[in-house]
Amino acid sequence: AQTIHQWPVAEIKAVGSPLSLGCTIKGKSSPNLYWYWQATGGTLQQLFYSITVGQVESVVQLNLSASRPKDDQFILSTEKLLLSHSGFYLCATGQPNERLFFGHGTKLSVL
Amino acid sequence: DAKTTQPDSMESTEGETVHLPCSHATISGNEYIYWYRQVPLQGPEYVTHGLQQNTTNSMAFLAIASDRKSSTLILPHVSLRDAAVYHCILRASSNTNKVVFGTGTRLQVLP
Repeated sequence: AQTIHQWPVAEIKAVGSPLSLGCTIKGKSSPNLYWYWQATGGTLQQLFYSITVGQVESVVQLNLSASRPKDDQFILSTEKLLLSHSGFYLCATGQPNERLFFGHGTKLSVL
Repeated sequence: DAKTTQPDSMESTEGETVHLPCSHATISGNEYIYWYRQVPLQGPEYVTHGLQQNTTNSMAFLAIASDRKSSTLILPHVSLRDAAVYHCILRASSNTNKVVFGTGTRLQVLP
């Protein structure tokens, strides 16, 4: 069975500081990977997806970037955080004809 | 933009059967109807999905209209643990990796 591990569980960061969030998938080779963001009380917004190592497609621009350095790893980052980056970040996996599996998420507070 | 329309909120009492509607008037022939539910600060949890036929599992019954332009998630004998935001989304069986969530229906369950 596949598992999704996100880290960290929560972060409190200052405006203008860098950020790196990670996601690791185990139990599935060549997974399709997704990053989602959810503002407090808001809807889930898909940010990026990746179908293979080294390839990332942007869906919504939020001054964030993503990378796929390994088959089982997906990284979300920025060099300068904005207040608007606060929220809940979710990593997910699932082929187009399968259900999506989500990680437990990272709660980010930007102060 | 989300291709589904759901009521913002619904209320029920423990033990009742709940019918959650979803409209998807522009659904394509290769799009499956997926239902997820989400509680605060957790990733969405898969509930069920279907293409054309009604489906049932341990969590819910999915009724799909014959023209596929609407569906209803039926939750029998709800408990307090069923309180969540329920999302109805469409996902094509072809190779598409953009998965759009709407605002969903917030189900409140009263004791």
